[in-house]
Amino acid sequence: SQKIEQNSEALNIQEGKTATLTCNYTNYSPAYLQWYRQDPGRGPVFLLLIRENEKEKRKERLKVTFDTTLKQSLFHITASQPADSATYLCALGGLTGGGNKLTFGTGTQLKVEL
Amino acid sequence: EAGVAQSPRYKIIEKRQSVAFWCNPISGHATLYWYQQILGQGPKLLIQFQNNGVVDDSQLPKDRFSAERLKGVDSTLKIQPAKLEDSAVYLCASSPGTGGNQPQHFGDGTRLSIL
Repeated sequence: SQKIEQNSEALNIQEGKTATLTCNYTNYSPAYLQWYRQDPGRGPVFLLLIRENEKEKRKERLKVTFDTTLKQSLFHITASQPADSATYLCALGGLTGGGNKLTFGTGTQLKVEL
Repeated sequence: EAGVAQSPRYKIIEKRQSVAFWCNPISGHATLYWYQQILGQGPKLLIQFQNNGVVDDSQLPKDRFSAERLKGVDSTLKIQPAKLEDSAVYLCASSPGTGGNQPQHFGDGTRLSIL
């Protein structure tokens, strides 16, 4: 069956450390992958997009990798801050027969502590 | 630019009643999406419009849910009659064009509670 798996338990890290969030998928072949941030009571906010032919993308303190062999994306936040605390969602796109719709994972809650 | 506007923010109804949600996308955005997000889960696409045509409604429970996007701008999503399992946040999103690899811009959703 098709699955998108993100860390189900909350990730707690200390301020200043690097947070690494994982997105694994099974029986999908996405052409691209997007990461979103969602705060309580708010809609998701787009962060980064990476295509299947790209290994790595960076934006300020954010870095995302995409390994189509391992069927995995890693999302890194360096020098993390309490303001980075939120739920982070990965979403697969460009799926066969899926047109341009996104299929979201369940999200990982990140808590950055002082 | 103004973001995606949704109303109402909250709605409480009893099962078997009907409810409607409204979405105003970012000006000029051709594609509009409605998602259902159940607590603890990621958003699930219900329906996608490109201008005022339906692109994908494969996951829309058509026996009770309906949606329209008149004139290719605003959209409404309706549930009639509501069931307990429809309790969720209903998110609207839009994107500029038809390319699938574009970021989606989300509104803050309508939180629906069914009693």
